[in-house]
Amino acid sequence: AQSVSQHNHHVILSEAASLELGCNYSYGGTVNLFWYVQYPGQHLQLLLKYFSGDPLVKGIKGFEAEFIKSKFSFNLRKPSVQWSDTAEYFCAVKDNQGGKLIFGQGTELSVKP
Amino acid sequence: DAGVIQSPRHEVTEMGQEVTLRCKPISGHNSLFWYRQTMMRGLELLIYFNNNVPIDDSGMPEDRFSAKMPNASFSTLKIQPSEPRDSAVYFCASSLEYAGQYFGPGTRLTVT
Repeated sequence: AQSVSQHNHHVILSEAASLELGCNYSYGGTVNLFWYVQYPGQHLQLLLKYFSGDPLVKGIKGFEAEFIKSKFSFNLRKPSVQWSDTAEYFCAVKDNQGGKLIFGQGTELSVKP
Repeated sequence: DAGVIQSPRHEVTEMGQEVTLRCKPISGHNSLFWYRQTMMRGLELLIYFNNNVPIDDSGMPEDRFSAKMPNASFSTLKIQPSEPRDSAVYFCASSLEYAGQYFGPGTRLTVT
């Protein structure tokens, strides 16, 4: 079965620090990859997605992610975080045979002002 | 577009009562998903529909849970009878095939 692993459960950074959240998936075929963000008390919002083409994907709010097929990874990055980035971040994978997403367990990001 | 609409936003009910959660997907989307989120179990997919047909209900916890999608613009998730362990935030999401899912604001259910 497919699975998604997010290695960091809780990350604490100071403002202006650089961010990288790890995401690895287990599926050898063609995949669609997503990062979602959930701000405290809110619903999940789509940050960015990869379907094909350039493996470096730009998303909203200055986030980007790089798809590395050989490593089965899709890490999320941001060069300089802000206090407002405090949220939980979910990586997800969808295979082309079905419609459902497989979510990672989430990474809680706390940014100290 | 108004996005995915869910109602009610909050529901407090007593154990044993029937609870019905409602969802209106984004117009034109042909897939609809019901999720449950708790601190203990995280985000769980309960069931999803494609073109109004249930495709995968393996995440539905037990027979007390049922979901319907009578048309492309409406879905319900029903719990009968409800139990305290059903307390959670229930999210509905919709998508076009091969595109990202868009989540609704959720229904926070508390069963006392």
